[in-house]
Amino acid sequence: EAGVTQSPTHLIKTRGQQATLRCSPISGHTSVYWYQQALGLGLQFLLWYDEGEERNRGNFPPRFSGRQFPNYSSELNVNALELEDSALYLCASSRWGALDTGELFFGEGSRLTVL
Amino acid sequence: QKEVEQDPGPLSVPEGAIVSLNCTYSNSAFQYFMWYRQYSRKGPELLMYTYSSGNKEDGRFTAQVDKSSKYISLFIRDSQPSDSATYLCAMSAQGAQKLVFGQGTRLTINP
Repeated sequence: EAGVTQSPTHLIKTRGQQATLRCSPISGHTSVYWYQQALGLGLQFLLWYDEGEERNRGNFPPRFSGRQFPNYSSELNVNALELEDSALYLCASSRWGALDTGELFFGEGSRLTVL
Repeated sequence: QKEVEQDPGPLSVPEGAIVSLNCTYSNSAFQYFMWYRQYSRKGPELLMYTYSSGNKEDGRFTAQVDKSSKYISLFIRDSQPSDSATYLCAMSAQGAQKLVFGQGTRLTINP
């Protein structure tokens, strides 16, 4: 069974540009989560999508946005990039209700570098 | 104050040692506690899950939760070089809409 796949693996942008990151969940999973893992800060929750709807959002500015498509894949958009947006962006997928059991399956991440 | 505090380490121990990793938290609503392991250049993977207080054992790994002290631990017995990774604690509340992670502790087991 294929795991969670993310693309691109690496992305280099300059300040003010936009970045788009993509995630394909495990087959049968309807929930997709996005986390930011910056150096020394651990995983910071960004967004949770399920069945095409945004279910929850972390403490990030509105320039971080995303969506989930009918096939449950998702994309994360970061507008007006700032240097501090440089981080590893992790996508995870799960069946509904997995936040109680932690059964989130993570991809290997997309490393965004903002110059 | 962060909801979840975890000593980032790094922690380096010899092979065969018992390793203790810990997290403290401030939100008394947390009921579900997890430990994830993250190898270099990989995403985190779920290692252990515990509901409420108590202990849970899985092979060389034991997870402990003390809700009265708001403190959770992961013990690794007979540590192996293959256990070298970053260990992240995570927790959530009933009906939670997010999983809150600790900062992660980088662990190295030296042969």
